[in-house]
Amino acid sequence: AQTVTQSQPEMSVQEAETVTLSCTYDTSESDYYLFWYKQPPSRQMILVIRQEAYKQQNATENRFSVNFQKAAKSFSLKISDSQLGDAAMYFCAYRSSDAGGTSYGKLTFGQGTILTVHP
Amino acid sequence: GAVVSQHPSWVICKSGTSVKIECRSLDFQATTMFWYRQFPKQSLMLMATSNEGSKATYEQGVEKDKFLINHASLTLSTLTVTSAHPEDSSFYICSASGNNLGVYQPQHFGDGTRLSIL
Repeated sequence: AQTVTQSQPEMSVQEAETVTLSCTYDTSESDYYLFWYKQPPSRQMILVIRQEAYKQQNATENRFSVNFQKAAKSFSLKISDSQLGDAAMYFCAYRSSDAGGTSYGKLTFGQGTILTVHP
Repeated sequence: GAVVSQHPSWVICKSGTSVKIECRSLDFQATTMFWYRQFPKQSLMLMATSNEGSKATYEQGVEKDKFLINHASLTLSTLTVTSAHPEDSSFYICSASGNNLGVYQPQHFGDGTRLSIL
């Protein structure tokens, strides 16, 4: 079974600064997806960024980028130019790429990191 | 973009009653739907996976008779919490995805249901 670990229960950053959230995972699969989700106080789940394991290039979405280290099974999220609206709980998640199983699309989440942004 | 509607958003009821939560995919066929439970400041824990037209697959430790899941159509899945008790109070979230083999299908989340049992 896959596991996802976020070792930082809470992080804080000053507005306009950069912060990095850590995530490690364990899997025996070679092909999979990794995600970062944002959950603001409204508790909506918002997809921040997606990484496909077979792609070596790190995914980026505007101010959000990842450092994907497949051999180390590490997947960190960097938020640049932090904004007050970035304050939320962030979840790292793993998903198998196996399209034939009955649990296709199943996500395994990490424990989450609460990010506070100080003005 | 694809939308998943979850209803109700908040429900308060007395202990011993049953509560039904609906999860609808509005503009795509949801072959697979997932039900998660989340306690405050904690992670999402998968309760069960439902595939249209077949019985749900429950995660270890989740009581099948307590949390009844029905996925009768490609656009609707329901979670019924039977004989609810205060310890069932939680935030329940559904998500849905299509299944186009070989092509990545994103997972779309509902806005969640806050369940409070008095």
